Amino acid sequence: IAGITQAPTSQILAAGRRMTLRCTQDMRHNAMYWYRQDLGLGLRLIHYSNTAGTTGKGEVPDGYSVSRANTDDFPLTLASAVPSQTSVYFCASSPDSSGANVLTFGAGSRLTVL
Amino acid sequence: GQNIDQPTEMTATEGAIVQINCTYQTSGFNGLFWYQQHAGEAPTFLSYNVLDGLEEKGRFSSFLSRSKGYSYLLLKELQMKDSASYLCAVSDSNYQLIWGAGTKLIIKP
Repeated sequence: IAGITQAPTSQILAAGRRMTLRCTQDMRHNAMYWYRQDLGLGLRLIHYSNTAGTTGKGEVPDGYSVSRANTDDFPLTLASAVPSQTSVYFCASSPDSSGANVLTFGAGSRLTVL
Repeated sequence: GQNIDQPTEMTATEGAIVQINCTYQTSGFNGLFWYQQHAGEAPTFLSYNVLDGLEEKGRFSSFLSRSKGYSYLLLKELQMKDSASYLCAVSDSNYQLIWGAGTKLIIKP
């Protein structure tokens, strides 16, 4: 089934540890995104990639990094996790980065930093 | 700054009609989206409006007024499975999506 796969589904992490959230899509979409979702707030964009080999910073990029070595994969890395990074993380993709594109979301990764 | 406002929570009765409003102030406008998100799940696309007027899709309709910075999502013949959060998002001048915090819709029998 075409879509986006995220891993892990859930993780508890000690503060200061490094963590990579994985995201893979099989729809050959050019654009990919990482969002975090916190109670009472809208989805906030962390980083994005309009095409393989390029990345850009979103609204809340500090403490996170991404890479886009190929079309399918878009991992998100927390270099040194802090409790404020406790959140649900959604990876999403769209055919391209123009305004009319519908986003397809992964199932999410729930991260708790203690 | 850019801002999307929608009610935090609404309650409606099974079989009834509910209207969820969204007002926005953004730098530029390249369309407005509505997504549905069931608890613990990912958002899924419902509708897209870029021109003024009403778009109907089955039991769901979405309306846009660009001059008023206003949209609504209309849900008819409510079913229990419609209990979810409804997210309004606007594509700004840079084609970045600005998201509202979502409206949690509770359906009662």
